[in-house]
Amino acid sequence: GNSVTQMEGPVTLSEEAFLTINCTYTATGYPSLFWYVQYPGEGLQLLLKATKADDKGSNKGFEATYRKETTSFHLEKGSVQVSDSAVYFCALSDEPHMRFGAGTRLTVKP
Amino acid sequence: GAVVSQHPSWVICKSGTSVKIECRSLDFQATTMFWYRQFPKQSLMLMATSNEGSKATYEQGVEKDKFLINHASLTLSTLTVTSAHPEDSSFYICSARSGPRHYNEQFFGPGTRLTVL
Repeated sequence: GNSVTQMEGPVTLSEEAFLTINCTYTATGYPSLFWYVQYPGEGLQLLLKATKADDKGSNKGFEATYRKETTSFHLEKGSVQVSDSAVYFCALSDEPHMRFGAGTRLTVKP
Repeated sequence: GAVVSQHPSWVICKSGTSVKIECRSLDFQATTMFWYRQFPKQSLMLMATSNEGSKATYEQGVEKDKFLINHASLTLSTLTVTSAHPEDSSFYICSARSGPRHYNEQFFGPGTRLTVL
């Protein structure tokens, strides 16, 4: 079945550092791919998505490219801020619902 | 974008009582809603898929008699935790699947934290 493998962390960075969170997937067909962010005590918010190969999703300085050849959807940000501290989930569409990775906790220190 | 609300946002109850959690799609109709459970520092676990007007489909290992799901309208699904016990304490998150207007995307509610004493 479809599944998502995500770098588990936790990840601790200094402010303005470069961020990469790895995500790879296993799927039949070509699912849509997502990154969600969860701030403490809150639900999930969609951060970005890509619906087909070579699509790049971007939002709030975060980017991820749908790579079919490596079955990956790594999340990147060039310069993180303290306010980016949260848990990040990689997910794929597995109709009718979704499959989530384990989540990666990011802490950004000033 | 589309908005999904949950009520209550947190609830504390005594062991043996039942708790109802509501999930509403505020500005779109959702024929399908999903209920997830999240343990501390873990990922989301799908509990069940709720379709309007029909019985919910539960994931393996989820007790359907304990977690009652009702999807009475296109904008409301409810999860009732019956005879709650401390091990049912968790963060429950619902999501609603939009139609073609929102590209069939899932939108998540803010979650309900249940604590059973």
